[in-house]
Amino acid sequence: GQNIDQPTEMTATEGAIVQINCTYQTSGFNGLFWYQQHAGEAPTFLSYNVLDGLEEKGRFSSFLSRSKGYSYLLLKELQMKDSASYLCASVSAGNKLTFGGGTRVLVKP
Amino acid sequence: SQTIHQWPATLVQPVGSPLSLECTVEGTSNPNLYWYRQAAGRGLQLLFYSVGIGQISSEVPQNLSASRPQDRQFILSSKKLLLSDSGFYLCAWRQRGGWNTEAFFGQGTRLTVV
Repeated sequence: GQNIDQPTEMTATEGAIVQINCTYQTSGFNGLFWYQQHAGEAPTFLSYNVLDGLEEKGRFSSFLSRSKGYSYLLLKELQMKDSASYLCASVSAGNKLTFGGGTRVLVKP
Repeated sequence: SQTIHQWPATLVQPVGSPLSLECTVEGTSNPNLYWYRQAAGRGLQLLFYSVGIGQISSEVPQNLSASRPQDRQFILSSKKLLLSDSGFYLCAWRQRGGWNTEAFFGQGTRLTVV
């Protein structure tokens, strides 16, 4: 089966850094995604990790440790527009794509 | 380029009425297709996914069903809606065979059962 956990909500200040953790238990693990979702909109892709280590994309970075079943998304130089929900999702070998409950990030001035 | 169409954008239906939501993908073939439901302020709950025509994997029981009559068409149905079926329904596709391919989402259908 698949089980994904992430914090419900986080608050940070504009210009700061926030780290959103995600733990997963996925049979036949085949990669981990991070998506951003603004209220009332569809999710949009941020990153994908299948090998251990850090993937950096501009202000956003994502890390994976397969042995620990752990990932995090790091948001640097936070901007007001980064206020959104961030969804962690794992893929199984059978192409099942399961999402966690999402972490709502509120950026304050 | 690939696109995904999902309709309608909003829907208000009475309890006990039937439901049919349609999703089609253009510009690709043999996609993996997914239906999700999202309650307000919550994550995406996987309802059904399909790796091929007529192949449906169900993640939730109850009164919803899905069908894939054509390669790029995925339909979510119900014979009798419940109040608890209200939510934001999202269809997504993902390239089959690619291990690092992202999922692309439709714009969603906001369903209110009254």
